[in-house]
Amino acid sequence: AQTIHQWPVAEIKAVGSPLSLGCTIKGKSSPNLYWYWQATGGTLQQLFYSITVGQVESVVQLNLSASRPKDDQFILSTEKLLLSHSGFYLCAWSLGGVSYEQYFGPGTRLTVL
Amino acid sequence: QQKVQQSPESLIVPEGGMASLNCTSSDRNVDYFWWYRQHSGKSPKMLMSIFSNGEKEEGRFTVHLNKASLHTSLHIRDSQPSDSALYLCAARYGSSGNKLIFGIGTLLSVKP
Repeated sequence: AQTIHQWPVAEIKAVGSPLSLGCTIKGKSSPNLYWYWQATGGTLQQLFYSITVGQVESVVQLNLSASRPKDDQFILSTEKLLLSHSGFYLCAWSLGGVSYEQYFGPGTRLTVL
Repeated sequence: QQKVQQSPESLIVPEGGMASLNCTSSDRNVDYFWWYRQHSGKSPKMLMSIFSNGEKEEGRFTVHLNKASLHTSLHIRDSQPSDSALYLCAARYGSSGNKLIFGIGTLLSVKP
């Protein structure tokens, strides 16, 4: 069975500080990986996706960056947080190809003060 | 810009009742719809997907798709308090590869 793990579970950070969020998936080889952001009361927005190691496509520009250093790992980061970065960050995976549903991890709750 | 519109924004149904949720795409190039359920503070869980015209049923959940009107609906019969959650509709567009567009959701509350 596939498991998806995100870390940390929650984070409180100061404006201007750096951020790194992580996601790992076990039990699935070469999955497509995605980062989503959900502002409180807002819609779920896809930020990045990756179909293979080292390759990341940006969907929405939010002064964030993503990397896929390993087949089972996806990292979201920024050097300088903004207040507007607060929200719920979700990692998701799908099988290769474009017709497969996406499965979400448990998420990381980020509060920027 | 591709948009997914959901209605109503919120819905209250009595326990045992029928909940009907709607979702429409603004772009005719849509080829898949998914319905997700998100309980408060949790991540979305996929309920059902549909890409062919018609109806699909899984237990108490039924989805309809009308491609001509770019409209899908989710119906929950015999609603339970545990069905209270945010229901998200997502659409994939043929031109967008791996990008899913989500609607803002319908907040369903099932009252005992």
